[in-house]
Amino acid sequence: SYVLTQPPSVSVAPGKTAKISCEGENIRRDSVHWYQQRPGQAPVQVIYSTTDRPSGISERFSGSKSGNTATLIITGVEAGDEADYYCQVSDGILALWFFGGGTKLTVL
Amino acid sequence: QVQLVESGGGVVQPGTSVRLSCTVSGFTLALSPMHWVRQVPGKGLEWVAFMSNDGKIENHADSVRGRLIVSRDNSKSTLFLQMNSLRAEDTAFYYCVRDRGDGSFDHWGQGALVTVSS
Repeated sequence: SYVLTQPPSVSVAPGKTAKISCEGENIRRDSVHWYQQRPGQAPVQVIYSTTDRPSGISERFSGSKSGNTATLIITGVEAGDEADYYCQVSDGILALWFFGGGTKLTVL
Repeated sequence: QVQLVESGGGVVQPGTSVRLSCTVSGFTLALSPMHWVRQVPGKGLEWVAFMSNDGKIENHADSVRGRLIVSRDNSKSTLFLQMNSLRAEDTAFYYCVRDRGDGSFDHWGQGALVTVSS
């Protein structure tokens, strides 16, 4: 099993930068993907392959990785960014997929 | 545009079965690996099942193996999840999800709620 650890909550003031971490023992070798889920909606991919942004996703969203911790970075935070965020990795050999527990981003 | 539409959810009794369907449009299902992901209301995301584009490779989470079974009919652009021996803990929204090809999920359906209750 692959455990991904995220902080349960992060709070940030409008216009500031939010950083959401995702820690896992093998993240240094794996691609990390991120999803945003607004209340009552299906998740939306905001970052794939650790640093790439899907078409249509704001440039305010970016991803990085250092050691066994990946980070989702949201600059110029807006009220509409308030949502749950999940990190995800896969084990291509075992064909297993794993999610972090999720982080609730609150815009103050 | 890409669309995934789940159907077949509802309220079912413990121990019974139900089949979810996911009909896709805007892309060729036969070229896409697919997954089911579930979410207990108010809780986090849990990967449930995977099937390769040609149906030759599949895998399921330990928590559902042997009871929930993924299948597909590419000719009908439809992915299925057969859910047997249902338990209260299977109550969740079930999302049909397309794999980008790199192990990530680039398109999600709106979700189908399955409630297991007597």
